[in-house]
Amino acid sequence: RKEVEQDPGPFNVPEGATVAFNCTYSNSASQSFFWYRQDCRKEPKLLMSVYSSGNEDGRFTAQLNRASQYISLLIRDSKLSDSATYLCVVKGGGSYIPTFGRGTSLIVHP
Amino acid sequence: DTEVTQTPKHLVMGMTNKKSLKCEQHMGHRAMYWYKQKAKKPPELMFVYSYEKLSINESVPSRFSPECPNSSLLNLHLHALQPEDSALYLCASSQVSRAHEQYFGPGTRLTVT
Repeated sequence: RKEVEQDPGPFNVPEGATVAFNCTYSNSASQSFFWYRQDCRKEPKLLMSVYSSGNEDGRFTAQLNRASQYISLLIRDSKLSDSATYLCVVKGGGSYIPTFGRGTSLIVHP
Repeated sequence: DTEVTQTPKHLVMGMTNKKSLKCEQHMGHRAMYWYKQKAKKPPELMFVYSYEKLSINESVPSRFSPECPNSSLLNLHLHALQPEDSALYLCASSQVSRAHEQYFGPGTRLTVT
């Protein structure tokens, strides 16, 4: 079983839609969770951290479910510019180096 | 300055060539990383330098040789590569205590012919 698993997608949604993706992790000792965004042929960039209590940044909401070992990212009112690959990143459980998931591709169309 | 720069942007090399990839940051980060990324795959960690010392080598073949000449620079020396080594090579940096908050460079797209 992979340490960090994501549905690769692509998720095809119209502008204005709400879309959510999940990411599961296998190491129950994992401590920190993040979402990165990677645009096509560009480098990954940190999008947001995921806190135990959940957190919101504008149209983006991230949540953590420790019992079921997954994190989620919800995007409301999707914009064309949200089209990208969203990488789930998990840290802890014996390593200070984060582990990247394979990413979920999102395509927002007009 | 939150920028990580990498040169060259693109590199085509033969299997007998020797080349080097360069990475530079001026954010005062003392952790620097090399990743390899193939199409539609996540970045795969290759090496981690912490305080200019190699702290992690993810069983990378010896044809890849990292070097950290100072706290701002990170090199990756390439020799006798194989076509399957063609990929995007990403450099990243972070504060040592915040390895989750990595700043990535734009990458070098390497093609081995």
